[in-house]
Amino acid sequence: EAEVAQSPRYKITEKSQAVAFWCDPISGHATLYWYRQILGQGPELLVQFQDESVVDDSQLPKDRFSAERLKGVDSTLKIQPAELGDSAMYLCASSLGSSGGPYDTQYFGPGTRLTVL
Amino acid sequence: DQQVKQNSPSLSVQEGRISILNCDYTNSMFDYFLWYKKYPAEGPTFLISISSIKDKNEDGRFTVFLNKSAKHLSLHIVPSQPGDSAVYFCAANKVSGNTGKLIFGQGTTLQVKP
Repeated sequence: EAEVAQSPRYKITEKSQAVAFWCDPISGHATLYWYRQILGQGPELLVQFQDESVVDDSQLPKDRFSAERLKGVDSTLKIQPAELGDSAMYLCASSLGSSGGPYDTQYFGPGTRLTVL
Repeated sequence: DQQVKQNSPSLSVQEGRISILNCDYTNSMFDYFLWYKKYPAEGPTFLISISSIKDKNEDGRFTVFLNKSAKHLSLHIVPSQPGDSAVYFCAANKVSGNTGKLIFGQGTTLQVKP
């Protein structure tokens, strides 16, 4: 069964350092999402790609966060510099289309647990 | 401004009984509502959805009910099984053109006791 791959699974860093997360979506999925999930809360969309183009990055803190999907396949999310409040689970998801509804089911990866010390 | 709320952080039920998970929303313009289930160390997986023009959708042991006047939806699991123990997220979707965005609630942890 095809899955969304993410690495690393866990990352511990010190504040002010740079971190990067990688996501490989299900083959053929044009839409890719990065979510942040803070403990005790639901996932919050950071950025949505349609192929290599950004569709929605309204909740991405652009002063320190960046995301790219250069060839429209895998994607990297970067934080520089990391802050204590960035400690969270970072989830990647992919779907065939971009409607977000049940006909474009989002499939999630296992996530990267980031701890900023 | 939390548009989707799950006010019960946790729920415990006995195996074989009914589990009812609740979700409230504030935006009457949502097009779909979805439920996701999450096990520890895994990403959320899609469970069931309902269109805003429906009031009920059933899939095996899972049924979702939508009360638009109350801006409330619920997920019923009958009968509950120990394998259903997980965190359940309610999500709402508003489609604009061919693009939509999921807004998630805080999640409810369900424990089904054998």
